[in-house]
Amino acid sequence: AQRVTQPEKLLSVFKGAPVELKCNYSYSGSPELFWYVQYSRQRLQLLLRHISRESIKGFTADLNKGETSFHLKKPFAQEEDSAMYYCALGGMGYSTLTFGKGTMLLVSP
Amino acid sequence: DSGVTQTPKHLITATGQRVTLRCSPRSGDLSVYWYQQSLDQGLQFLIQYYNGEERAKGNILERFSAQQFPDLHSELNLSSLELGDSALYFCASSVSQGGTGELFFGEGSRLTVL
Repeated sequence: AQRVTQPEKLLSVFKGAPVELKCNYSYSGSPELFWYVQYSRQRLQLLLRHISRESIKGFTADLNKGETSFHLKKPFAQEEDSAMYYCALGGMGYSTLTFGKGTMLLVSP
Repeated sequence: DSGVTQTPKHLITATGQRVTLRCSPRSGDLSVYWYQQSLDQGLQFLIQYYNGEERAKGNILERFSAQQFPDLHSELNLSSLELGDSALYFCASSVSQGGTGELFFGEGSRLTVL
């Protein structure tokens, strides 16, 4: 069964500090990993996906199949990054995405 | 707005009652997904429909049911409501029916059971 683990419920950092939101998964087959973000009073939206290998709003995430991880990183956090972040897992043969429980990121000035 | 729309935005009801949540997917999207978001469990997948047919079931209680109509809108029916059913219910849509594409979410329906 596919499973996504986000070990931190809350991550609090100061503006300008590096950020790493952890995500580990269990999956049989070829996984596809996503990060979704939910800003205050906004709908959940896709931030980035591993197959795109792109940086969005300064965030990057590398799929590490050996460690079954897909951690989200940003070198310098901004206050506007404060949001709820969900790691999601999908792939061929699966009907939908499985989400982790989410990590709330709070960036203080 | 051609995005995913959900109604009602807020709903307050009593235990034992029945409610219906409605979702209209993005134009052109054939798949509709229902998720339940609670503080304890995060985002839990309930059920998926593709072009009118049920495709996948997640942690959906027997008291809950859903359907997708020919115009592709979907309804989630919650009956014999309990206090623990209080949550935010999200609908999402996608072009594909698999777990490889981007999901587009609605703003959610917040259900409070008193």
